[in-house]
Amino acid sequence: AQSVTQPDIHITVSEGASLELRCNYSYGATPYLFWYVQSPGQGLQLLLKYFSGDTLVQGIKGFEAEFKRSQSSFNLRKPSVHWSDAAEYFCAVGDGGATNKLIFGTGTLLAVQP
Amino acid sequence: NAGVTQTPKFRVLKTGQSMTLLCAQDMNHEYMYWYRQDPGMGLRLIHYSVGEGTTAKGEVPDGYNVSRLKKQNFLLGLESAAPSQTSVYFCASSRPRTSGGNTDTQYFGPGTRLTVL
Repeated sequence: AQSVTQPDIHITVSEGASLELRCNYSYGATPYLFWYVQSPGQGLQLLLKYFSGDTLVQGIKGFEAEFKRSQSSFNLRKPSVHWSDAAEYFCAVGDGGATNKLIFGTGTLLAVQP
Repeated sequence: NAGVTQTPKFRVLKTGQSMTLLCAQDMNHEYMYWYRQDPGMGLRLIHYSVGEGTTAKGEVPDGYNVSRLKKQNFLLGLESAAPSQTSVYFCASSRPRTSGGNTDTQYFGPGTRLTVL
């Protein structure tokens, strides 16, 4: 069965520092991978997605993610974090079925220090 | 274009009471989903629908019922609320999987925070 692991429950970075959030997936075929962000009290917003092709995916708000099949990873990166990036980040994998169902990781809560 | 909206935003129930959460989308999406979000557990799928008049169980369906009488609306019902159903509930919608086989993006509503005492 498909699964997603986000090893880091909570991460704190300084404003202006680089960021990498880890995501590992378990899936038999080529996965459909997503990163969503949830600001406090808000719904989930799509940051980026990978379906196929170029393994480095660009998203909104200056985020990017790299799909590495050999490591079963889809880590999210940002070169310089802004205070407004403080939020919870969820990685998800599509189940590959006809219903577009997603399997979510447990999330990583990002705090940004001034 | 409001996207996905949810009603109500907050609700407090007593054990045994019933209620219905409403999800509406104006994007003409075929597929709709209900999730619950609990601390440390991410989002878990409760029920979903691939079209008007059709529903199916997700990962955690017990204690919930759903209906999709209109394409734009997806209702989540709790017949007899329990404290274990205290959670934040999210609705999402998407287009069908493309003819090329790509899973499509799910668009989320703002959530309903439910507390069951």
